[in-house]
Amino acid sequence: QLQLQESGPGLVKPSETLSLTCTVSGGSISSSNYYWGWIRQPPGKGLEWIGNIFYSESTSYYNPSLKSRVTISVDTSKNQFSLKLGSVTAADTAVYYCARDCGGDCYDWLDPWGQGTLVTVSS
Amino acid sequence: DIQMTQSPSSLSASVGDRVTITCRASQSINNYLNWYQQKPGKAPKLLIYAASSLQSGVPSRFSGSGSGTHFTLTISSLQLEDFATYHCQQTYSIPFTFGPGTKVDIK
Repeated sequence: QLQLQESGPGLVKPSETLSLTCTVSGGSISSSNYYWGWIRQPPGKGLEWIGNIFYSESTSYYNPSLKSRVTISVDTSKNQFSLKLGSVTAADTAVYYCARDCGGDCYDWLDPWGQGTLVTVSS
Repeated sequence: DIQMTQSPSSLSASVGDRVTITCRASQSINNYLNWYQQKPGKAPKLLIYAASSLQSGVPSRFSGSGSGTHFTLTISSLQLEDFATYHCQQTYSIPFTFGPGTKVDIK
């Protein structure tokens, strides 16, 4: 079955760029009309939608609160998609999840999710 | 942005209880409402999409209802494995936003 796995540094310095990759296994990232998304959850807090990307034409949508700092990209040859968040501060400390997004025609539900990776912003 | 609220923020219940969680949107979202279950240290899991459609593999004791601005998630007979935090999410407009969560714990 489809599985997603986040990877990347667990510690990032303030003002630097957070970079994470989500590797998709058990299926092709370009096989269907799915989007691929990122969501984060600060410790002890709620979930925040970061954005998503479609594999074809690399159409992407971002949370306006993060848009100036975020880029989501896809690499179909590696069956991966990635998140870059620039100029990070302590407020960006969170567990970052990747997930498959079924798209607007089916209510953009998110399933499955990766296990999540904690990224701490600290000097 | 569409604001999502949930009530209660937490509740204590016993195995076998009927549990209802409410989610409200700050404006109409038709039925663009999904529910997720999250256990400590784990990723959220999709339970209900489009307000009332049960995701494949999810037990039938879970059900969702509502449209517009008022939605509910009901667990008809709480089981031990249902103790978790439940999140609603609107996908009517970007940015997609989540409710703050409702924690269900053991009485």
